[in-house]
Amino acid sequence: DGGITQSPKYLFRKEGQNVTLSCEQNLNHDAMYWYRQDPGQGLRLIYYSQIVNDFQKGDIAEGYSVSREKKESFPLTVTSAQKNPTAFYLCASSNHRGPQETQYFGPGTRLLVL
Amino acid sequence: GENVEQHPSTLSVQEGDSAVIKCTYSDSASNYFPWYKQELGKRPQLIIDIRSNVGEKKDQRIAVTLNKTAKHFSLHITETQPEDSAVYFCAASMAGTASKLTFGTGTRLQVTL
Repeated sequence: DGGITQSPKYLFRKEGQNVTLSCEQNLNHDAMYWYRQDPGQGLRLIYYSQIVNDFQKGDIAEGYSVSREKKESFPLTVTSAQKNPTAFYLCASSNHRGPQETQYFGPGTRLLVL
Repeated sequence: GENVEQHPSTLSVQEGDSAVIKCTYSDSASNYFPWYKQELGKRPQLIIDIRSNVGEKKDQRIAVTLNKTAKHFSLHITETQPEDSAVYFCAASMAGTASKLTFGTGTRLQVTL
């Protein structure tokens, strides 16, 4: 999982502002994922992508958007429509598109609202 | 969709004792069950996983058991050490919804001296 990087480590958002979180992997993994983690809760899936130029909504996609223009990159935009964006955001990747493949996580980005 | 419940939410054991964390899942089609360990402020890391074609898997002090009939699986840590202190998450993957893991809410394990 050392091949997955996220930036920045901390991000501050002002009211009405869109912010973009970066996720890059050099593991040659096909699939990438975005999760949100709130205190005392598990990881909740925001979006996932199994192949370049394709992605699907997860369980909590409202207020978020993604793109997958390159295999290595899967940026997440937190839009102003997301009313409670303060959370720890984790990106992950896995080797195959199908089920039962291990997901490896990046170090995370902590988003705070000013 | 799949629903994963995890218990207990917190667990305190003395060093050297065993710890057991239990999870139940709702969809009988789920067939992949990983366990992740997350230290404070760090990323979750896979510690062990099990697929539905086996009932038990062991890796040194860590073992996972799966009961498909009852739809529950458990993590067992023996001879606990202070470095085992962390939050542990179970997860389940639904066959046919490729790689979409559903996570439990986590167990905070504290190993005391």
